Order: sequence, then structure tokens, then C-alpha cells
Amino acid sequence: DIMLTQSPATLSVTPGESISLSCRASQSISTNLHWYQQKPNESPRVLIKYASQTISGIPSRFSGSGSGTDFTLNINRVEPEDFSVYYCQQSNSWPRTFGGGTKLELK
Amino acid sequence: EVQLVESGGGLVQPGRSLKLSCAASGFTFSDYNMAWVRQAPKKGLEWVATIIYDGSRTYYRDSVKGRFTISRDNAKSTLYLQMDSLRSEDTATYYCATQAHYYSPFAYWGQGTLVTVSS
Repeated sequence: DIMLTQSPATLSVTPGESISLSCRASQSISTNLHWYQQKPNESPRVLIKYASQTISGIPSRFSGSGSGTDFTLNINRVEPEDFSVYYCQQSNSWPRTFGGGTKLELK
Repeated sequence: EVQLVESGGGLVQPGRSLKLSCAASGFTFSDYNMAWVRQAPKKGLEWVATIIYDGSRTYYRDSVKGRFTISRDNAKSTLYLQMDSLRSEDTATYYCATQAHYYSPFAYWGQGTLVTVSS
């Protein structure tokens, strides 16, 4: 199974800061890596697909980069509604796996 | 508008069975691969199973293989998950989700249905 390691587990920031979240795969997954946001008591929603492709309706402050084993989700100038948990997920092989998540919290 | 509505969750004893349903609307159900993803209380996301658009192929995580069966009825635009021999570690909110193609992300999600396995 491909393991995805997200870091940090928790990130404390103030609104307006720009941040980067990391996701590292245990083996190469090309760009078959997707990012999700999950707010408390809500279903996840996809933010970025295939490492860097944008999703219709997602604010432009979210962007992604990376390929192979190292991936990054960037949030340019965090907004109050961005405080939630972020997951990465690989679709390169079965079983599909998710990272453990990064919780973005208010400092 | 894409809608996915799960149902069938509840409290069940270990070793018993439960069948979840996911009613889809707002898109051509028979064109999409579909998946179940679960989330144990206060835990992360875990993929459970995927079924190809025409039902010809299924994929499962090892921990549910032989116990869970994913199926679909394209005429009714409904996805199912038959869960047998349930264990306490199956306790989770179960989401159905769309997967447009083989490598696609889980683009649309339902609201989830809670399954609690306890005596």
C-alpha cells in the first residue's frame, strides 16, 4: 500500500498568512495526488486534483504543486473560513489511500 | 446539481449485517465509477470500495474483502454497500462519492450515514 505522510499534523496561523502543507508518498505516484478540505461536521470537498489542477468553484488562493513523492498545498493569505482539516489522497494504485490530515487552526 | 443521499446506517451488533444505499441524482449515474469512503469517529478518511461505471469490476480494501460487497443499480441510480460480519472497527460514517475515471479524485460526496457496531 502507498503511505501518504502529511506534515505538520497541526498548523496554527493567523488570517492573512500564506502557508504550505506537505504530503509525502512512500513511492512515486506521478501526479495522481488530490487535496481535500473537511470542515467540522461536513463532508470533504476536493480542492486540487492531479497535484496542481484547479477545481471549478474553489477560491484561487488554493494551489498545489509537486510530482513523484513530494507534494504541497499552498494557501495564499488564509481566510477565516479556511480553518479546517486538509487531506491528500493518491489514485495511482489500489488501495486508494489518504494522508492522516493536517489541521489548520487559528493562532 | 449533483446529489448523493446515503441511507441505511444505524446501530448493529458485532457479527450482524447492514446494507447501505446511496441515491444519486443530477448527473448520469451510469457514466461514473462510484466509491464508499468511511471515517471513524474523530479519525481520518479511509477508502472502502469502488465499483466501475457498468458494475463489471470492483475493488476493496483488504480489511473488508470477503465481508463487504459494493454493487449498483444503474436503472435506479443507486449505489449499495452490503456489510456482513461487522466488527467494532467498522464503526464509522460512510460516505458515497463519485469517481469520474480510473485515476480521478472523489469529486462529489454525500452527507454520510453513521454505522455503529456495538453490543
